[in-house]
Amino acid sequence: GNSVTQMEGPVTLSEEAFLTINCTYTATGYPSLFWYVQYPGEGLQLLLKATKADDKGSNKGFEATYRKETTSFHLEKGSVQVSDSAVYFCALSDATNAGKSTFGDGTTLTVKP
Amino acid sequence: NAGVMQNPRHLVRRRGQEARLRCSPMKGHSHVYWYRQLPEEGLKFMVYLQKENIIDESGMPKERFSAEFPKEGPSILRIQQVVRGDSAAYFCASSEGQGAFFGQGTRLTVV
Repeated sequence: GNSVTQMEGPVTLSEEAFLTINCTYTATGYPSLFWYVQYPGEGLQLLLKATKADDKGSNKGFEATYRKETTSFHLEKGSVQVSDSAVYFCALSDATNAGKSTFGDGTTLTVKP
Repeated sequence: NAGVMQNPRHLVRRRGQEARLRCSPMKGHSHVYWYRQLPEEGLKFMVYLQKENIIDESGMPKERFSAEFPKEGPSILRIQQVVRGDSAAYFCASSEGQGAFFGQGTRLTVV
């Protein structure tokens, strides 16, 4: 079956530091890959996505590249802000059923001023 | 265009009571998914419904849990005879293609 493994947290960074959150996956076929962000007490918001190998998803300064050869989809941001503090979830879904996703356990990011 | 609406946001039930969680998908979406998030964990898929049909319930516990998505009205996740282990955040998502849009969740606390 499908599975997603995320870098364990929590991660604490200073403002303007570089962020990497690792994500690797196991899936049959060619899944779509996603990063979601969850702010305290809120639901999940789609941050970015990639639907095929070598695609790069980007949004709000965050980026992730779909690497089929390493089955990875690492999240990066060059300069984090305090407002980026949240829980980040990596997820995958079959291309034919976008709503049924397998999620990683989440990585909590805290950015200090 | 309103997003996915879930209510209530917070629900407290005593052990043995019933919990009803509601989800209205985004306008124009006919696919609804329910997920459960236990504390400190990621989301786990429970059930996938289209209007009046359950398509995939592979993540639903075999007992006490049921879901429906009637022709008119919101999708309902029903938990009968709740136990403390049912305490979690329950999220609904809707989709009509790539990616899913999530509601803000219902946080169920069983006391």
